[in-house]
Amino acid sequence: AQTIHQWPVAEIKAVGSPLSLGCTIKGKSSPNLYWYWQATGGTLQQLFYSITVGQVESVVQLNLSASRPKDDQFILSTEKLLLSHSGFYLCAWSSGQANTEVFFGKGTRLTVV
Amino acid sequence: GDSVTQTEGPVTLSEGTSLTVNCSYETKQYPTLFWYVQYPGEGPQLLFKVPKANEKGSNRGFEATYNKEATSFHLQKASVQESDSAVYYCALAPITNAYKVIFGKGTHLHVLP
Repeated sequence: AQTIHQWPVAEIKAVGSPLSLGCTIKGKSSPNLYWYWQATGGTLQQLFYSITVGQVESVVQLNLSASRPKDDQFILSTEKLLLSHSGFYLCAWSSGQANTEVFFGKGTRLTVV
Repeated sequence: GDSVTQTEGPVTLSEGTSLTVNCSYETKQYPTLFWYVQYPGEGPQLLFKVPKANEKGSNRGFEATYNKEATSFHLQKASVQESDSAVYYCALAPITNAYKVIFGKGTHLHVLP
């Protein structure tokens, strides 16, 4: 069975500090990978997606970047956090085919102070 | 552009009553449609998906029919339980970019015992 692990579970960071969030997918080769952001009580906004290692597509600009260094790993980062970056970050995967469902991790709760 | 509009919440029901959450969408041609459910502090889980027009999806007593003429995908359940309290998201994968899954704003359901 496929598993998706996100780290850390929660972070409290200062404005202007750097950030790195990660996720790993096990049990699935060549998945499509996604980062979503959810403001408190808000909808799910897709930030990035990646179809293959080394290639990442940006969906919205939020002063964040993403990288896929390995087939099973997806990293979200920024050098300078803003207050508006607070929220719930979700990593997700889908099979290599288009139009299939995405499966979400448990998320990382980020609070920027 | 592609969009999903669903019933604004919160929706409060008593146990045993029926539920309808409206969902309508805009996109080119025929997308794949999904309903997801999210419990507090967790990532969304797929409830079911319907890839083809005029077909019905169902799971755990919830169901929805992909109505391409009305561009709707309303979620229904005949008799809700307290454990159904959660946020429900309608989503679509557009045919023009199947990696860009678009979610509605979510409908928060409270079921009273």
